[in-house]
Amino acid sequence: DAKTTQPPSMDCAEGRAANLPCNHSTISGNEYVYWYRQIHSQGPQYIIHGLKNNETNEMASLIITEDRKSSTLILPHATLRDTAVYYCIVRPAEYGNKLVFGAGTILRVKS
Amino acid sequence: SAVISQKPSRDICQRGTSLTIQCQVDSQVTMMFWYRQQPGQSLTLIATANQGSEATYESGFVIDKFPISRPNLTFSTLTVSNMSPEDSSIYLCSAKDLAKNIQYFGAGTRLSVL
Repeated sequence: DAKTTQPPSMDCAEGRAANLPCNHSTISGNEYVYWYRQIHSQGPQYIIHGLKNNETNEMASLIITEDRKSSTLILPHATLRDTAVYYCIVRPAEYGNKLVFGAGTILRVKS
Repeated sequence: SAVISQKPSRDICQRGTSLTIQCQVDSQVTMMFWYRQQPGQSLTLIATANQGSEATYESGFVIDKFPISRPNLTFSTLTVSNMSPEDSSIYLCSAKDLAKNIQYFGAGTRLSVL
């Protein structure tokens, strides 16, 4: 599976957009980009995933560059409850492939 | 999304004993996994729980220490055997919804070994 690189930590003001970058320069054509987050003392929560098109759901937007070597997770209006560790993971879509977690980015939303 | 229930949610155990963690999914899923999260660390995959056959373990994890069962599509157990303080971690069950290509997680079992 392709490796991902994320900044270890970021701060964001409450109410502003949080933009979390992820580098995956060795991504293969059949690998999806997944984002999860883990709020303290809870299990990881699925946020969004995509292959090459930008994706949006009720939680966030995922912007994938045209060459697919990097992506950005956008939380449009961050709240204090969005403070968490955010994991960017690339994984093939085939049956049998599992999620492998890196260190992630600690996002601190401040009032 | 699939709802994953784990029990116990936490336990404090004595060295040398074993603990079995149960995981129940509310819908049929294709794959189930067990992860470990040591204090201050990210998640590490222990094994894939296979229905009706032996689990597939990741490097560094062995069946004698972490026996896993999956008797049907929606239930799995992980046993942490002959525990030592180094086994103090959060153990998480996960299940993959193939139709949505999404993997979901339980809340975890917080284990402390004295």
